[in-house]
Amino acid sequence: DAGVIQSPRHEVTEMGQEVTLRCKPISGHNSLFWYRQTMMRGLELLIYFNNNVPIDDSGMPEDRFSAKMPNASFSTLKIQPSEPRDSAVYFCASSPDGYGYTFGSGTRLTVV
Amino acid sequence: SQQGEEDPQALSIQEGENATMNCSYKTSINNLQWYRQNSGRGLVHLILIRSNEREKHSGRLRVTLDTSKKSSSLLITASRAADTASYFCATQNSNYQLIWGAGTKLIIKP
Repeated sequence: DAGVIQSPRHEVTEMGQEVTLRCKPISGHNSLFWYRQTMMRGLELLIYFNNNVPIDDSGMPEDRFSAKMPNASFSTLKIQPSEPRDSAVYFCASSPDGYGYTFGSGTRLTVV
Repeated sequence: SQQGEEDPQALSIQEGENATMNCSYKTSINNLQWYRQNSGRGLVHLILIRSNEREKHSGRLRVTLDTSKKSSSLLITASRAADTASYFCATQNSNYQLIWGAGTKLIIKP
């Protein structure tokens, strides 16, 4: 298995633009998580899906952030409009049973 | 939110020496996990220890858990340059959520 695949690896965008981050979890994993990592705040859970259904989105900062999981093999995290304070590394992780996560390599987002 | 607190925040040792990192937490847990993150990369799951376990080994890694003190330690024996990374502990209670510490930055000097 290729692991959790995220794209793009790097994204630089101008303030106000829409940004879409993509994730392909490991086949057979029924839990998917989106995290954000910054030096100041460490790792923050944004949203958790189980069997493609959003279970907990309390970590989504505000309405500018939205996430979807249309099927078991694909998820997106969208920021619209983006702001400089959204600059961070965004990780997707999946788990077969809710224990022991496998992380993707992350998307480094820079909003200028 | 972050529950785990790792110490030290940074650790620099010579190759071949053992490295010990500690993690403390506040609430009851189902399990505690250790992850490694190389610079610019995602986190890699190293080991999971359940609340009813006291010690676990995996290769050069040894993890202990003391639930009475709400603390855990990660020992890496015979360190190698490739062990240079940040190490995070994360606790998990009865639901899915992992509560992360701020991490220990480990540098192995050749």
